[in-house]
Amino acid sequence: EAQVTQNPRYLITVTGKKLTVTCSQNMNHEYMSWYRQDPGLGLRQIYYSMNVEVTDKGDVPEGYKVSRKEKRNFPLILESPSPNQTSLYFCASSFRTGEKLFFGSGTQLSVL
Amino acid sequence: DQQVKQNSPSLSVQEGRISILNCDYTNSMFDYFLWYKKYPAEGPTFLISISSIKDKNEDGRFTVFLNKSAKHLSLHIVPSQPGDSAVYFCAVNNAGNMLTFGGGTRLMVKP
Repeated sequence: EAQVTQNPRYLITVTGKKLTVTCSQNMNHEYMSWYRQDPGLGLRQIYYSMNVEVTDKGDVPEGYKVSRKEKRNFPLILESPSPNQTSLYFCASSFRTGEKLFFGSGTQLSVL
Repeated sequence: DQQVKQNSPSLSVQEGRISILNCDYTNSMFDYFLWYKKYPAEGPTFLISISSIKDKNEDGRFTVFLNKSAKHLSLHIVPSQPGDSAVYFCAVNNAGNMLTFGGGTRLMVKP
């Protein structure tokens, strides 16, 4: 089944403790992206990648890192999480840049 | 400053009636527009799209209208069903590199 898989679904952590949210897609998509969803603000893009080893900042990249060492994986790294990063995070992919996106089921992150 | 705005955070409609969800954008250079639907505890799923060379696109009960002069996009659902209750996001293709989303509209279809 074609899908975008992100883990974990729920994560509670404390300020400053490094964490990684994993994302994997099995559709051989070139483009992958991370979004965060906050009430009233919709989906805001954090980082995106147009292909392996090519990443770029979205609208809200501060406090986040990403890597794209393989085509299928695009992990989101929070080196030192802060409470304002409490949010619902979505990974997404598409065959090419600007085409319709396929989303994962989301990761609800709470930073205490 | 938000480039894509959905000014109605929520909308309530009776089953069988028409639902109209609206979206406004600021940049006349945007050339591809999409609607996504999101149920609780799931990721958004693609619903329908329209290119700037068209002013209407239909897919079953869903129709998207594009008014380029007004920089306005709307999604019509006819007839509305309780299963359509979800959050709807409009999105625009911003210079080909990424999609920019609106804030979402929560649609409630009452039986």
